[in-house]
Amino acid sequence: SQQGEEDPQALSIQEGENATMNCSYKTSINNLQWYRQNSGRGLVHLILIRSNEREKHSGRLRVTLDTSKKSSSLLITASRAADTASYFCATASGAGSYQLTFGKGTKLSVIP
Amino acid sequence: GAGVSQSPRYKVAKRGQDVALRCDPISGHVSLFWYQQALGQGPEFLTYFQNEAQLDKSGLPSDRFFAERPEGSVSTLKIQRTQQEDSAVYLCASNQGAPNEKLFFGSGTQLSVL
Repeated sequence: SQQGEEDPQALSIQEGENATMNCSYKTSINNLQWYRQNSGRGLVHLILIRSNEREKHSGRLRVTLDTSKKSSSLLITASRAADTASYFCATASGAGSYQLTFGKGTKLSVIP
Repeated sequence: GAGVSQSPRYKVAKRGQDVALRCDPISGHVSLFWYQQALGQGPEFLTYFQNEAQLDKSGLPSDRFFAERPEGSVSTLKIQRTQQEDSAVYLCASNQGAPNEKLFFGSGTQLSVL
């Protein structure tokens, strides 16, 4: 079963614009991670935010986490054509669970 | 190795055939995971190894699915008597220890069952 739900399912923007993707989840978490997947490839880890953190930055990426609303957002600033990919959030519940639970993803298209 | 390596990259099987998918994790990575990704969906957890011990196989969809990692490095996911619903991309991931932390994924094996 999939815990995370990304929103929107698809997003198309012009190069240079910012892209915002949202993720909602259902149960309490230990951390939340964002991954990118280019077509036909494996997933690449982007950023991890822990349940006691509210915001984290990495290069052009900004992630926020609101545990009271059980939601997270990923902002990509100054997008590039190379950012075109699917983006997935994944939650780790901790409490002896080993698995990450992924959402269905947001498909981002950045038009040059 | 430089990254997680999976083989074959593509596999076509006739319904009822057995298949074996291989994963070579990053050298020294203790934790190894298998995930299944259906078209247009996110990955779904299948099983987890810590070294050679299979600590969680709760995601394996049926007893036709079997995974092993006998020497704590290379892992094989075997699917017996394949069915059309087994068609998916099978992803392997590894990391150095803490299973809930950052994962390194392979490119996957795309399985098509005809």
